[in-house]
Amino acid sequence: GENVEQHPSTLSVQEGDSAVIKCTYSDSASNYFPWYKQELGKGPQLIIDIRSNVGEKKDQRIAVTLNKTAKHFSLHITETQPEDSAVYFCAASTGGFKTIFGAGTRLFVKA
Amino acid sequence: DTGVSQNPRHKITKRGQNVTFRCDPISEHNRLYWYRQTLGQGPEFLTYFQNEAQLEKSRLLSDRFSAERPKGSFSTLEIQRTEQGDSAMYLCASQTGQETQYFGPGTRLLVL
Repeated sequence: GENVEQHPSTLSVQEGDSAVIKCTYSDSASNYFPWYKQELGKGPQLIIDIRSNVGEKKDQRIAVTLNKTAKHFSLHITETQPEDSAVYFCAASTGGFKTIFGAGTRLFVKA
Repeated sequence: DTGVSQNPRHKITKRGQNVTFRCDPISEHNRLYWYRQTLGQGPEFLTYFQNEAQLEKSRLLSDRFSAERPKGSFSTLEIQRTEQGDSAMYLCASQTGQETQYFGPGTRLLVL
């Protein structure tokens, strides 16, 4: 079946450094790739998304890249801050009802 | 607050009891989803409504689980004869068209 693999499962960085999280999807029909941030005790919150007709998208300190040929997409956070500490999920959707989520990356930003 | 809301936020129950959770989606959103999330995992799809019609159910959804969205607005998820393996976070999300899904805060269920 379709799946999304996410790496690493845990990432620890120093405040101010960059963090990169990578995902691979299996369904070549996927055309929408959201990223969610989940803080303790809360539901996932969308932080950025990208569609298959775009290779890169940036929003302040957050950027996402997509390589459709390799079925890879990545989240880049620059100038990390302690409040960036959370669990981050990538996801892939074919535009219908089905969205497949990765297993998550727990990001620790050390002050 | 016009986001997705879920109630209760926490539920502790004994094995064998029935529980019901409620989700109120963003008002103009016609699609509503239920997911289950266990520790260290991403959300897993359970079921999906378009307006009041339940269009898809996951194989994860045993016959002890039932969901409704009677008037195409709020939805309920009922688990009958709960088991310890049902302990998880139950998330609701809503969507309009094929745009982003917006999640509620979830209901954390603990079955003793």
